[in-house]
Amino acid sequence: GNSVTQMEGPVTLSEEAFLTINCTYTATGYPSLFWYVQYPGEGLQLLLKATKADDKGSNKGFEATYRKETTSFHLEKGSVQVSDSAVYFCAKETSGSRLTFGEGTQLTVNP
Amino acid sequence: DAGVIQSPRHEVTEMGQEVTLRCKPISGHNSLFWYRQTMMRGLELLIYFNNNVPIDDSGMPEDRFSAKMPNASFSTLKIQPSEPRDSAVYFCASSLGTATKETQYFGPGTRLLVL
Repeated sequence: GNSVTQMEGPVTLSEEAFLTINCTYTATGYPSLFWYVQYPGEGLQLLLKATKADDKGSNKGFEATYRKETTSFHLEKGSVQVSDSAVYFCAKETSGSRLTFGEGTQLTVNP
Repeated sequence: DAGVIQSPRHEVTEMGQEVTLRCKPISGHNSLFWYRQTMMRGLELLIYFNNNVPIDDSGMPEDRFSAKMPNASFSTLKIQPSEPRDSAVYFCASSLGTATKETQYFGPGTRLLVL
């Protein structure tokens, strides 16, 4: 297979709660992995990435670790803010310059 | 840096009309991607170019869709004739180089509604 699977949303949390959004992938080899974020009315922005196994990508308090044993790249943040409300997409490197995206997970953080 | 520029931001048209979406990639980037986003199908890659040459158009839905990149700073996605099921947000993205490790930078999108 050649797919990316994200946990189903929507996810609703209170401010300062712990966030996990699960992402698993199927692939041959060790593709680069990405998390993109889409704020309302905007295009996608790269949030973080990891290019090899066991790498940890981090940005703005978000982290994700490339786990080849479990073919996973789960997104975590220790304390979410209202401003983190957005749609989060997991993606993996495919052939050529292509990315394969997951379905997206809507996150809403309430004050 | 102005980022990826798309126009128009919103387009409302009637079924059967021709629609042309425009994209200006980030200067110096040599890969350009067109995506379509809908609630039902999520984010789909339609076509991508490298050095102005179409590399993979397997995501283009049908012959009504066509894309061109006449030079390094401009690309168009055309739908002719348009249908209601084409209603979606269309994103253009660009990246530096051909390696997938290169970050793709997305434009703000064109929201298309076909009545």
